[in-house]
Amino acid sequence: NAGVTQTPKFRILKIGQSMTLQCAQDMNHNYMYWYRQDPGMGLKLIYYSVGAGITDKGEVPNGYNVSRSTTEDFPLRLELAAPSQTSVYFCASRPGQINYGYTFGSGTRLTVV
Amino acid sequence: AQSVTQPDIHITVSEGASLELRCNYSYGATPYLFWYVQSPGQGLQLLLKYFSGDTLVQGIKGFEAEFKRSQSSFNLRKPSVHWSDAAEYFCAVGAGDDKIIFGKGTRLHILP
Repeated sequence: NAGVTQTPKFRILKIGQSMTLQCAQDMNHNYMYWYRQDPGMGLKLIYYSVGAGITDKGEVPNGYNVSRSTTEDFPLRLELAAPSQTSVYFCASRPGQINYGYTFGSGTRLTVV
Repeated sequence: AQSVTQPDIHITVSEGASLELRCNYSYGATPYLFWYVQSPGQGLQLLLKYFSGDTLVQGIKGFEAEFKRSQSSFNLRKPSVHWSDAAEYFCAVGAGDDKIIFGKGTRLHILP
């Protein structure tokens, strides 16, 4: 089925470990986004990309890195996991015009202990 | 910069009752406005959107929303809620740059 695929769905990390959250879309969307969702706080933008090879910081980029080598993939890297990064992470994509809105993945629930 | 306010963190309604969820936005020109729904453990699904034309927009699952420029509002309504409507609802605004800004959400509870 067409859409945004996130892996893994759940992950527990120890403090200081690293991991990559994967995001892939098969809709040929240029724009891709990473958000984190914390209870009562809505969604906060971590990083986004307007096309392959182009990324930019969002509201809360510290502790994260991204790359966009292809149109389809937009992985999010956590280098030194901290308890403050415990959250649910959502990847989203959209075509060229913003009025289409986003298509979201089903999320990755990350716990750092 | 644009912003979105959802004044109600929680709303409880009885099954079969009508529903209105409030959303106010801040932006100088006509924004792009969205409502998303998130069921427990799921991602966000687009309910409806407004960017021009008729200020009353229809969405999926029987929802509608009305854009009121004078009040900077985009409230979501449903005439009769079902137990399956229990979820979290997010209002969002996109305006001129590459990003959509989300409100903090309203959690809807349904009484049987």
